Amino acid sequence: GAVVSQHPSWVICKSGTSVKIECRSLDFQATTMFWYRQFPKQSLMLMATSNEGSKATYEQGVEKDKFLINHASLTLSTLTVTSAHPEDSSFYICSARDPSDNEQFFGPGTRLTVL
Amino acid sequence: SQQGEEDPQALSIQEGENATMNCSYKTSINNLQWYRQNSGRGLVHLILIRSNEREKHSGRLRVTLDTSKKSSSLLITASRAADTASYFCAFRSGYSTLTFGKGTMLLVSP
Repeated sequence: GAVVSQHPSWVICKSGTSVKIECRSLDFQATTMFWYRQFPKQSLMLMATSNEGSKATYEQGVEKDKFLINHASLTLSTLTVTSAHPEDSSFYICSARDPSDNEQFFGPGTRLTVL
Repeated sequence: SQQGEEDPQALSIQEGENATMNCSYKTSINNLQWYRQNSGRGLVHLILIRSNEREKHSGRLRVTLDTSKKSSSLLITASRAADTASYFCAFRSGYSTLTFGKGTMLLVSP
């Protein structure tokens, strides 16, 4: 199957700082990428849908000014957690849709810990 | 996105036993997929079953889909300790993104 990478795989930061997470589709061009968040012992919850060249669509309850999404190219989407707080500590997983078959492929996730 | 329901939330069995997990959803779907996730790791895609299929096999995995009941089940036969993980169903309606169930935590004891 197609490969999606995320960087970094884990990050620890101080409260109040901003953290950027990258998601790349390695062998296909993804016009649409998705960002999920997963708290311990819970399922994945969709945060936002990222469309190349346009603004992201955020799910209800997700602050767009706090979670900045940029999808500047067909192979890269970034999620920036601004002014991070301990409650933002979570596992962030991106997913990219392959337009050739409409299937979603998932990145390995990024573990964010905010101290 | 409307989350699916899975049961049981947790399942503890002995090696060699079978494990069955169920998933229910509320909308019409294009397909339903099952994923596995080891603690703290990413998702591993297990199997996809389309809305016009009723049963699918892959190795020790057997998935059924009943669109009239809007439910699916995942059966793992002859379980092994290495099968210990969380299992999620995920489904898509139309061109929407995948919606995940709440997951089942499976513990297989040697």
